[in-house]
Amino acid sequence: SQTIHQWPATLVQPVGSPLSLECTVEGTSNPNLYWYRQAAGRGLQLLFYSVGIGQISSEVPQNLSASRPQDRQFILSSKKLLLSDSGFYLCAWIGAREEGYTFGSGTRLTVV
Amino acid sequence: KNQVEQSPQSLIILEGKNCTLQCNYTVSPFSNLRWYKQDTGRGPVSLTIMTFSENTKSNGRYTATLDADTKQSSLHITASQLSDSASYICVVSNQAGTALIFGKGTTLSVSS
Repeated sequence: SQTIHQWPATLVQPVGSPLSLECTVEGTSNPNLYWYRQAAGRGLQLLFYSVGIGQISSEVPQNLSASRPQDRQFILSSKKLLLSDSGFYLCAWIGAREEGYTFGSGTRLTVV
Repeated sequence: KNQVEQSPQSLIILEGKNCTLQCNYTVSPFSNLRWYKQDTGRGPVSLTIMTFSENTKSNGRYTATLDADTKQSSLHITASQLSDSASYICVVSNQAGTALIFGKGTTLSVSS
């Protein structure tokens, strides 16, 4: 069965510190992977998506970057966090189009 | 412009009561519509997926309807339980599967 793992679950980081959130998928190969951010009272905002190793598309220019070093690994990073980076970050993958998204459990990031 | 609008923004009901959540979309060309349930601090979990030709689909106490002509969908919850308290998100996909448009969700609170 396909599963998606995301960690850490919660993170409190000072402004200006670096960030690394990791997402891995099991039970599938060559998945399309996505990073979303969900701010309080707002919908899900697509940040990055990747259709393969080393292939990253950015939807929103910002302080974040993404990398896909392995087929089933997707990493969200920042060199220097801003207060506005606080939010709930979700990793997702999509198998066959009709299956829809499978989401990770999310990371609550608070930048202080 | 592709948009998904959900109403109401929030809803409070008593345990055992029924409720209906609404989703209106302008995504074109339309492929499918999904309803997700997102518990607080967790990733969204798929409830139903509906294609153009489907009018009604049930998943336990959840029943989704779709009117592709008016571009409206509803999610009806029967005999609500405390565990139904969550955010319900409507997601619409275009035919190419390249764009998934998320609604901002409806926050449902079920009280005893």
